[in-house]
Amino acid sequence: EAGVAQSPRYKIIEKRQSVAFWCNPISGHATLYWYQQILGQGPKLLIQFQNNGVVDDSQLPKDRFSAERLKGVDSTLKIQPAKLEDSAVYLCASSLGPLSSYEQYFGPGTRLTVT
Amino acid sequence: GQNIDQPTEMTATEGAIVQINCTYQTSGFNGLFWYQQHAGEAPTFLSYNVLDGLEEKGRFSSFLSRSKGYSYLLLKELQMKDSASYLCAVRATAGNNRKLIWGLGTSLAVNP
Repeated sequence: EAGVAQSPRYKIIEKRQSVAFWCNPISGHATLYWYQQILGQGPKLLIQFQNNGVVDDSQLPKDRFSAERLKGVDSTLKIQPAKLEDSAVYLCASSLGPLSSYEQYFGPGTRLTVT
Repeated sequence: GQNIDQPTEMTATEGAIVQINCTYQTSGFNGLFWYQQHAGEAPTFLSYNVLDGLEEKGRFSSFLSRSKGYSYLLLKELQMKDSASYLCAVRATAGNNRKLIWGLGTSLAVNP
């Protein structure tokens, strides 16, 4: 079974530039999550999709971050414009559904460096 | 508010046993997860507890006490490859949603 795919793996941009990340979840997984993980900290949920609808985006900085999952499969996360504090690993995860017992499967992450 | 506490760092010796504690204060409780994260890699699932008691899975066991807001991850027969960060996460209630609240992780160093 193929895992969660993410690209790119690494990205270096200057502040005020834009960047987009792509995620392809495990086939059949209805729930998709985007996390931001700063070095030495636990993951912080940015947005959760159930199929192509947003379930939780309470911690997404909506003035600069946006995400979509148009066909309920792949998803993109965009930052525009980037700030220095956005330097982090962006993790995409998927699960069968939102039920409590469903574990989340994580992709390899995209390491973003903003200079 | 939602809060999860775990020790920042722990050190243990190869072949030994180590217990990593996690205490939580959340609005509602719908299960507790333990994940392992090696440096530079994504978290991987280790265990899930929703009822009180001990869940054993090979060298790893996880315990939950809901009344105390407490869990621990027990690692036996430690191996060098167990050096990693161990993340405790609680599924709590946030409005109509069940949100996964993550701890900061415990960095475990296994020495020979």
